[in-house]
Amino acid sequence: DQQVKQNSPSLSVQEGRISILNCDYTNSMFDYFLWYKKYPAEGPTFLISISSIKDKNEDGRFTVFLNKSAKHLSLHIVPSQPGDSAVYFCAASAWNTGANSKLTFGKGITLSVRP
Amino acid sequence: DSGVTQTPKHLITATGQRVTLRCSPRSGDLSVYWYQQSLDQGLQFLIQYYNGEERAKGNILERFSAQQFPDLHSELNLSSLELGDSALYFCASSVGGANNEQFFGPGTRLTVL
Repeated sequence: DQQVKQNSPSLSVQEGRISILNCDYTNSMFDYFLWYKKYPAEGPTFLISISSIKDKNEDGRFTVFLNKSAKHLSLHIVPSQPGDSAVYFCAASAWNTGANSKLTFGKGITLSVRP
Repeated sequence: DSGVTQTPKHLITATGQRVTLRCSPRSGDLSVYWYQQSLDQGLQFLIQYYNGEERAKGNILERFSAQQFPDLHSELNLSSLELGDSALYFCASSVGGANNEQFFGPGTRLTVL
C-alpha cells in the first residue's frame, strides 16, 4: 500500500518557467513532510520541509505548499533552471505518533528543465 | 558531499551468498537509517539505529540484519541472497529522529546474479 504517492513519473518544463511537483498521501497521521532531490549516482539530498502546522514554507526558489484536508502537497520551483533536472522524492513522517524515525517515500518524479 | 560514506560502491555476488554493506554517518550524527531502492520502487525504509540501539524497523526481511557499533558506523548484513535483492542500498544519518534532516550517502549498488 503506497502511503505517499507521486502519480506523475516525469515532468518537463522550459527554463525560467515554474515547475510544480505534486504529492499525495493517505495516512492522516503524517505530520511532517520533506522533499529530496536526487542526481544520478548520488544519494538523495534534502531540499525543503514543512510541518503540518503550516501550509507554506519557502526557501529561495523553492516553495512547498501543504493542503491537509486534501492530503496533498506540492513543490514549486520558480524560476526553473537546467540544474534542477533531477529526481524529486516526496517523503512523510508521523512524528507525533512516536514513529518519528521512519520516513515514507514516494516513488519520485523525474524533472527535466529544457534550456 | 553529504558527509555520509558508504562502502563498497558496487557489489556483484551470486544467489545464496552473504554480503555486508558499511556506512559511516556524518560526524556528530547519532542516527543511522538504511533504505532499499529497487528498480520500480521508491526508497523503502529498512531499519534505524540510534546511538547503538535499534530504534525503528520497516520492511526488512528476516534474511537481513544490521547493527550500529560504538563508533556509530553501521553495517547491513544481507544473507541467502536472491535475485530480487538486487537494488541500491542507501544509508542516511541524522542528529536525532526523522524530523531532523536526513543526510544520505551515495549508496551501494548490489547486483545478485
